[in-house]
Amino acid sequence: GNSVTQMEGPVTLSEEAFLTINCTYTATGYPSLFWYVQYPGEGLQLLLKATKADDKGSNKGFEATYRKETTSFHLEKGSVQVSDSAVYFCALLPNDYKLSFGAGTTVTVRA
Amino acid sequence: NAGVTQTPKFQVLKTGQSMTLQCAQDMNHEYMSWYRQDPGMGLRLIHYSVGAGITDQGEVPNGYNVSRSTTEDFPLRLLSAAPSQTSVYFCASSRQGGSTEAFFGQGTRLTVV
Repeated sequence: GNSVTQMEGPVTLSEEAFLTINCTYTATGYPSLFWYVQYPGEGLQLLLKATKADDKGSNKGFEATYRKETTSFHLEKGSVQVSDSAVYFCALLPNDYKLSFGAGTTVTVRA
Repeated sequence: NAGVTQTPKFQVLKTGQSMTLQCAQDMNHEYMSWYRQDPGMGLRLIHYSVGAGITDQGEVPNGYNVSRSTTEDFPLRLLSAAPSQTSVYFCASSRQGGSTEAFFGQGTRLTVV
């Protein structure tokens, strides 16, 4: 079946540090891949997406590249801010349109 | 533009009680779904619908019912609440097909005592 495995947290960083959150997936066919972000007390919102191999999604300084050969979609940001403190979810959308999520990674950025 | 609206935001139930979590979207999306969020487990799909009159089970459907009489509304019913159903519930909607973004409500925090 389809599944997503992402790096466990929590992750605590200082402002301006480099952030990487690993995400790997198992799926049949050619799923679309997403990163969602959840700020405290809110629902999830789309951060970025990639729909095919070698696509790079980017938004708000975050990037992730769809790597089919390693079945990965790692999230990176070069210089984090306190406002980036949130829970990050990797997700995949297979052909049956049932979105599958990883367990989530809590990121805390200290000033 | 309201997007996806869930009510209530918080609810406490006693074991055995029933209730309905409401979800409405104003984006004319065909696809709607309900998830529960538990610590360390991410979001798990409870039920989903690909259009009015069509619903199907997700990963964890037991103890929950849904119906989809209109495009806009997708209520989730807890038939007889159990402490294991203590969770945060999210409703989401999206356009059908392709690599479409899912829009989420703000969630309902449910506690069953």
